[in-house]
Amino acid sequence: DAKTTQPPSMDCAEGRAANLPCNHSTISGNEYVYWYRQIHSQGPQYIIHGLKNNETNEMASLIITEDRKSSTLILPHATLRDTAVYYCIVRAEGTGRRALTFGSGTRLQVQP
Amino acid sequence: NAGVTQTPKFRVLKTGQSMTLLCAQDMNHEYMYWYRQDPGMGLRLIHYSVGEGTTAKGEVPDGYNVSRLKKQNFLLGLESAAPSQTSVYFCASSYSNRGSTEAFFGQGTRLTVV
Repeated sequence: DAKTTQPPSMDCAEGRAANLPCNHSTISGNEYVYWYRQIHSQGPQYIIHGLKNNETNEMASLIITEDRKSSTLILPHATLRDTAVYYCIVRAEGTGRRALTFGSGTRLQVQP
Repeated sequence: NAGVTQTPKFRVLKTGQSMTLLCAQDMNHEYMYWYRQDPGMGLRLIHYSVGEGTTAKGEVPDGYNVSRLKKQNFLLGLESAAPSQTSVYFCASSYSNRGSTEAFFGQGTRLTVV
């Protein structure tokens, strides 16, 4: 699986959009980009994933650049409950890889 | 629908004691995983299972054993606990690892070895 690079921490004002970047410059064609978050030592929670097209669900939007070397997770209206560590994970499909590999993530602090 | 349930939630062990952590999922998932998370760090894979009766080693398997006798349960055993195994343990499950599917995590077991 391709390695990902995320900033260690970010701040965001409550009610504003939080834009969390992720660099995955060595991503391969069959690798998906996943985002999970972990709120205060709880179990990680799935947010969204994508392959090449932008994706949106009730929690967030995922913007993947055309060359797929980077992506941005967007929380459109951040709340205090969105304070968490956000993990960007790249995972290949169909290669025998069996589990998600977690890095250090980005610690997002939403300020009131 | 409880999702992924871990038992116990907290435990304190003395060095050398043994224990078993239980993970149960009610989503009929094929794949199950055990991770550990040390303070300020990301999750590291200990062992995983791709189906009933099968297990495989992850990134940090030493000192742990696992069993998957039933599809819904995945057990993590510590035969002789060491202080280095003080950590938070997370279990996860997913329906299929061949497609782009999400993993569901339990709420964790906080283990302290003194």
